[in-house]
Amino acid sequence: GAVVSQHPSRVICKSGTSVKIECRSLDFQATTMFWYRQFPKKSLMLMATSNEGSKATYEQGVEKDKFLINHASLTLSTLTVTSAHPEDSSFYICSATQGWGYGYTFGSGTRLTVV
Amino acid sequence: ILNVEQSPQSLHVQEGDSTNFTCSFPSSNFYALHWYRWETAKSPEALFVMTLNGDEKKKGRISATLNTKEGYSYLYIKGSQPEDSATYLCASPPTSGTYKYIFGTGTRLKVLA
Repeated sequence: GAVVSQHPSRVICKSGTSVKIECRSLDFQATTMFWYRQFPKKSLMLMATSNEGSKATYEQGVEKDKFLINHASLTLSTLTVTSAHPEDSSFYICSATQGWGYGYTFGSGTRLTVV
Repeated sequence: ILNVEQSPQSLHVQEGDSTNFTCSFPSSNFYALHWYRWETAKSPEALFVMTLNGDEKKKGRISATLNTKEGYSYLYIKGSQPEDSATYLCASPPTSGTYKYIFGTGTRLKVLA
């Protein structure tokens, strides 16, 4: 079945540094990838949608310059949290799809802690 | 704004017990409902995609029903096993043809041996 690999699973970084999270579709071509954020005891919130080769579409309230998304190939999307602050500490998870009607495959998530 | 709610938030059952939990969504403009099973440190796994009122789907000991007129879906687990312990998520799109699924907060199930 479709598999999405997300790395790292856990990262601790210092305030002011940037962190890159990778999301790879291992056995299918992901035309669209999604990035979600989850706060404790809250639901998954969509941050942005990225299509291969084009700019990501960000949800309202998500800072584009803070959360840089790159979808340079059909199998890789990256989320870079720039100049991280403690309030960026959260659980981030990606999902990918081959297209409408194919369903969604999730990565296993990244727990980011900014100290 | 579509609001997807799940209850209960968490649930402890004994091994062998059957259990069920609920996903509620607005009954107007319904398009689809997805159920996922999410074990700790793993990826959410798709269980069911439900689209028609009265749909009933089954996967082993897990089954789900859908009532779009009253806006709910039930997930049932028969004869719970410790390996069923996970968070069960439901999600629904607010409009047709959109990827922007709205997720519930999940029901965390713990099956005690």
